[in-house]
Amino acid sequence: DIQMTQSPSSLSASVGDRITITCRASQGISSNVAWFRQKPGEAPKSLIYGASNLQSGVPSKFSGRASGTDFTLTISSLQPEDFGTYYCQQHNSYPITFGQGTRLEIK
Amino acid sequence: EVQLVESGGGLVQPGGSLRLSCAASGFTFSDHYMDWVRQAPGKGPEWVARVRNKAFSYSTEYAASVRGRFTILRDDSKNSVYLQMNSLKTEDTALYYCARRGLYGGTDMWGQGTMVTVSS
Repeated sequence: DIQMTQSPSSLSASVGDRITITCRASQGISSNVAWFRQKPGEAPKSLIYGASNLQSGVPSKFSGRASGTDFTLTISSLQPEDFGTYYCQQHNSYPITFGQGTRLEIK
Repeated sequence: EVQLVESGGGLVQPGGSLRLSCAASGFTFSDHYMDWVRQAPGKGPEWVARVRNKAFSYSTEYAASVRGRFTILRDDSKNSVYLQMNSLKTEDTALYYCARRGLYGGTDMWGQGTMVTVSS
């Protein structure tokens, strides 16, 4: 199975900050990575597919990048509504696997 | 409105069975692969099963933890996907989400989930 090692596990940032979350794949997965945000009591919300493509309706403050087996999600100009837990997902091979999550707290 | 609505969750004893349903609306269901993804309380998502579309003969994939016990199937005439769960274990307790694979890969849409509790 492909392991997705996500870091950091938690993060506290201020309104207006720019933050980056990283997922490292245990082997090559091309650009087959998606990113999600989940708020307490809600279903995950899809943000990015293909490592760097925004899902419809997702604001451009979110961006994704791939470099080898490292994948990053960057959120610029943080707002209070950006809080939640962020997960990466590899869909290159089965079983599809997720990172452990990054809990983002807005100070 | 584009949506996925799950149903069928509940409390079941270990060794029991349950069938989850997911009704899709607002998009061309038959075009998409469909997944079930579960999330145990306080844990991250875990992919469970996938059924491909007609072009790929409705073929399926399963996580090792459920293979041989769970069956995913779809009915394009009803815009629905199902998860038949047999020989349930306490570790199957989770919120089960129906999820759509986007046309370019990766999950792009989630239902609200249905809770399955396996306990005696």
